Amino acid sequence: DGGITQSPKYLFRKEGQNVTLSCEQNLNHDAMYWYRQDPGQGLRLIYYSQIVNDFQKGDIAEGYSVSREKKESFPLTVTSAQKNPTAFYLCASSPRGGRITDTQYFGPGTRLTVL
Amino acid sequence: GNSVTQMEGPVTLSEEAFLTINCTYTATGYPSLFWYVQYPGEGLQLLLKATKADDKGSNKGFEATYRKETTSFHLEKGSVQVSDSAVYFCALSEGNFNKFYFGSGTKLNVKP
Repeated sequence: DGGITQSPKYLFRKEGQNVTLSCEQNLNHDAMYWYRQDPGQGLRLIYYSQIVNDFQKGDIAEGYSVSREKKESFPLTVTSAQKNPTAFYLCASSPRGGRITDTQYFGPGTRLTVL
Repeated sequence: GNSVTQMEGPVTLSEEAFLTINCTYTATGYPSLFWYVQYPGEGLQLLLKATKADDKGSNKGFEATYRKETTSFHLEKGSVQVSDSAVYFCALSEGNFNKFYFGSGTKLNVKP
C-alpha cells in the first residue's frame, strides 16, 4: 500500500538533546512538508521541499533542520535550540510542489515530549 | 495575506442531526479549498476539496461548496453519526509551492 510513514509514534527527549524524526513516502511525490501541531491549534509549517536536494524554511523554522537526499525521505531534526519542542509533528507530501490544486497527504504523526 | 477562519468548537450534536461547520477565508489569489478530518492521535485525512468557484466537494455524506462571492467553504452533513466525532480542519492552498493555510480546527462530538 502506498502511503507516508512516520517513526517513532512517540518520542521522549531530554532537554539539550537533538532528536531526529523520520518521514518516508512511497507515493513517488516530489514535494514534502513538515508541520507542527499544538493542542487546540491549527498546523504551522516548519520546512518544505519541492524537489530532492532542495528545501525551504516555513513559518517556524528556528530550532529545526531538515535534509532531502532521497525523494522518498525527509527527516526532521529538532535541535536543542528549539525552546518549546513538545508538540505533535506531522509530515505530508504532494505530487508536485507548485500546483495549488494538489492535495497534501499526511502521515500518522510523531508526538515529541521533552522531559 | 492568506488566512482561514473556522467556527470555534466544540460542536456537540445528537446522532442524525444536521451539521454545519463554518469556514471563511482570505486569499491574495485564487486558492483551492480543502476539508481535512483528524481522529485522536492520528494524522489528517482529506475529506473533500474544491478547486474553483461554485465547485462542490463531497465525500462520505459531507459536502462543501466553494463560494467566491462570500469567501466561504462551509462543511455540511445531513445526518451525523457517532463515528464522525473528530476534529475538522478547513484549509486553503495558494502560492507557487502549494503552501497550505489551516484553520484552527473545530472539534465535533456526536452523542448517541
